[in-house]
Amino acid sequence: DTEVTQTPKHLVMGMTNKKSLKCEQHMGHRAMYWYKQKAKKPPELMFVYSYEKLSINESVPSRFSPECPNSSLLNLHLHALQPEDSALYLCASSQGGLAGNTIYFGEGSWLTVV
Amino acid sequence: DQQVKQNSPSLSVQEGRISILNCDYTNSMFDYFLWYKKYPAEGPTFLISISSIKDKNEDGRFTVFLNKSAKHLSLHIVPSQPGDSAVYFCAASANNAGNMLTFGGGTRLMVKP
Repeated sequence: DTEVTQTPKHLVMGMTNKKSLKCEQHMGHRAMYWYKQKAKKPPELMFVYSYEKLSINESVPSRFSPECPNSSLLNLHLHALQPEDSALYLCASSQGGLAGNTIYFGEGSWLTVV
Repeated sequence: DQQVKQNSPSLSVQEGRISILNCDYTNSMFDYFLWYKKYPAEGPTFLISISSIKDKNEDGRFTVFLNKSAKHLSLHIVPSQPGDSAVYFCAASANNAGNMLTFGGGTRLMVKP
């Protein structure tokens, strides 16, 4: 079972709203990731959590705030987003945080900022 | 500077024939390579991977070849099926940089019945 579950699948939010994207995996993986993908572009890394601690932040604006409540859950809190933040947000996980661990992606959450 | 490049944005192949997708990289520190398939409106699905200590890895219809000296890898799909039509991303990671994937730009494969 290589399932990463993301909710919601679609989200429309205004620029003054606060919303959250949620991600869950039950594979016992200890590393979890947020990626962002714009149309016709490859996924771009945003954050990496390793053993529930934030290990990598790829200079993401503070209007995106990640949270890892436990080893199975990963949230992305959204506040005061801009229309250009509209994209597919992908959660992923891997057994460990080192290279050589296959990263498995969820189906993504489509975010539209109006 | 793109460290992982897929120079063919699209590829069209007849059903039953071989599909060959290519990927080039520039970072000599990359030591783990993966291929993902992506359908529209879905997340990338892991297909196959290869470590830099190998030059070939096979899984069913999918084979990945790695040429370290040329910094080139390729994905072979034999025989190609219409259901293989999707965007294929090559990705790489370096052992000294955690498990951060660098993706190529993707190749859209169309398998014609």
